[in-house]
Amino acid sequence: DVKVTQSSRYLVKRTGEKVFLECVQDMDHENMFWYRQDPGLGLRLIYFSYDVKMKEKGDIPEGYSVSREKKERFSLILESASTNQTSMYLCASSATATDTQYFGPGTRLTVL
Amino acid sequence: QKEVEQDPGPLSVPEGAIVSLNCTYSNSAFQYFMWYRQYSRKGPELLMYTYSSGNKEDGRFTAQVDKSSKYISLFIRDSQPSDSATYLCAMNAGNNRKLIWGLGTSLAVNP
Repeated sequence: DVKVTQSSRYLVKRTGEKVFLECVQDMDHENMFWYRQDPGLGLRLIYFSYDVKMKEKGDIPEGYSVSREKKERFSLILESASTNQTSMYLCASSATATDTQYFGPGTRLTVL
Repeated sequence: QKEVEQDPGPLSVPEGAIVSLNCTYSNSAFQYFMWYRQYSRKGPELLMYTYSSGNKEDGRFTAQVDKSSKYISLFIRDSQPSDSATYLCAMNAGNNRKLIWGLGTSLAVNP
């Protein structure tokens, strides 16, 4: 079974803090993705990575950066958290471009 | 106009009903079609994966793709309270890694 784990289920941070969200997959997948999910807006792609040290912007990259130093690990970084970044953050991985994306359980981030 | 349209519901049905969930899309290049189920406070999980047109059946679930009408459906037979979740459609043209997502339909199956 594919397993995608995320470092925290719930996180509360203050405005202006630097926030790291970590994602690890155990299936040697090439592709990894970070989404945020908000009521009425659905799943929106922030960044994705198709190889170690490679990254591409998704639909809403502003205010975020990512790091992929190892194949199994993909980190999302909020350089200076703002209240409008309060959301559910979901990490996913897939073997190929058209393959199933497997999701982690999500991190509910609240920025106060 | 969004690339993928999905009625958000909520949809409420009695146990045992047949449920029909639908998405329409505008990009004729889409070839890979998926349905994901998402329980409350969990990540989405793949339910059905279909390539191109046609039907696919898995137990109580049937996925249909009509590329001529740009319309996909998920049918749930003999619905159970455990089917209560949000159902998201997603699709891909095959030429990039990005899935295009519907907003999801919230389904409640009442005992």
